[in-house]
Amino acid sequence: ETGVTQTPRHLVMGMTNKKSLKCEQHLGHNAMYWYKQSAKKPLELMFVYNFKEQTENNSVPSRFSPECPNSSHLFLHLHTLQPEDSALYLCASSQLGTSGRMGTDTQYFGPGTRLTVL
Amino acid sequence: TQLLEQSPQFLSIQEGENLTVYCNSSSVFSSLQWYRQEPGEGPVLLVTVVTGGEVKKLKRLTFQFGDARKDSSLHITAAQPGDTGLYLCAGLAGGTSYGKLTFGQGTILTVHP
Repeated sequence: ETGVTQTPRHLVMGMTNKKSLKCEQHLGHNAMYWYKQSAKKPLELMFVYNFKEQTENNSVPSRFSPECPNSSHLFLHLHTLQPEDSALYLCASSQLGTSGRMGTDTQYFGPGTRLTVL
Repeated sequence: TQLLEQSPQFLSIQEGENLTVYCNSSSVFSSLQWYRQEPGEGPVLLVTVVTGGEVKKLKRLTFQFGDARKDSSLHITAAQPGDTGLYLCAGLAGGTSYGKLTFGQGTILTVHP
């Protein structure tokens, strides 16, 4: 069992819809991540939350809006998406070191949400 | 921008054969991780290598980190159908306060019975 859960596992939405992806980690980690996995492209880091603070926004379009209400939960709010946004969206968590020192940063991934935008 | 070149992109072999997957970069990484991903699932960590020249073995899998910490390889001995999957290497950038991983494109391995 992965310790990181994601819902829904599959999502089909139109370009005018608003939907949200949810991620929950049960590992007591202090950092959470959103990745996008498209066919024939490397995994792309989208957002990083470190101690609930967003520390990375990897030039992601504003139609993707992350939310991290606490260290265990991470959301990705979607609105007015494009067909090219269809992909597998993966959430991950890790335990980072404190005081600027890095921990092992083993990232544990959830199973992903397969998103199709029509 | 740090890049990781992973090769080959596709590998189709017969059960019992050996194979090697390579991961190369012009950048130095503080550590490098190998993941395996099955269809419909997220990547699962296989190993992390940290020290230049380090070699780690996981049953029939041997992982090596280059001396300069810019490249890595995964060698599988006597491959089995259960080894089929997508193998990903990911480098961890140093000097940051959070774990920013750079992923390779992945190698899709198919082992035929």
